[in-house]
Amino acid sequence: DQQVKQNSPSLSVQEGRISILNCDYTNSMFDYFLWYKKYPAEGPTFLISISSIKDKNEDGRFTVFLNKSAEHLSLHIVPSQPGDSAVYFCAASAESGGGADGLTFGKGTHLIIQP
Amino acid sequence: ETGVTQTPRHLVMGMTNKKSLKCEQHLGHNAMYWYKQSAKKPLELMFVYNFKEQTENNSVPSRFSPECPNSSHLFLHLHTLQPEDSALYLCASSQGAGLGQGWYNEQFFGPGTRLTVL
Repeated sequence: DQQVKQNSPSLSVQEGRISILNCDYTNSMFDYFLWYKKYPAEGPTFLISISSIKDKNEDGRFTVFLNKSAEHLSLHIVPSQPGDSAVYFCAASAESGGGADGLTFGKGTHLIIQP
Repeated sequence: ETGVTQTPRHLVMGMTNKKSLKCEQHLGHNAMYWYKQSAKKPLELMFVYNFKEQTENNSVPSRFSPECPNSSHLFLHLHTLQPEDSALYLCASSQGAGLGQGWYNEQFFGPGTRLTVL
């Protein structure tokens, strides 16, 4: 059973508007969450992360919100730009490997920014 | 070279062949990972190495054999694979840390090797 779920396979947003990508998780041991962006023929690129002791982390146009009680996180991109068109992966980890922990990924959401 | 590199980028092999995938990281990290991405599935963790020691094997069949000679290099040796093993194989690295020293799990990925097993 998937422990990290991205229920929207794709999302289309107009340039300049806000993009909101959602992610749900089911493992209460997860305490660190990350968002990655992937272009075709490239590996995932780290975007932003958040620890479970926070509920918000912001980096430029990207903000991640964490709702622990709902086991839900979201990535907000504002304003959306054409170069943001890519597949976005949500990932989670639990500190159990002494500093090296495999990530559990969602299936990804394909974000398309319309001009 | 910067970041995480993987070779080859594409590989086609028969079920009886033996081949190896190579990963090299130039980030000074101590932890390295192999992930597999099959069509319409999320990335799946295969192996974790922390300070050259294997710390996780995620129930991977023995036809996949990892090797980590040093913190900068990671190999995945392949033998007698099956067609369903065709996938994108991604290597990643992270700073890693010992217990009690804090940890940073931002993992940096290579471009992947697209493997096709005939």
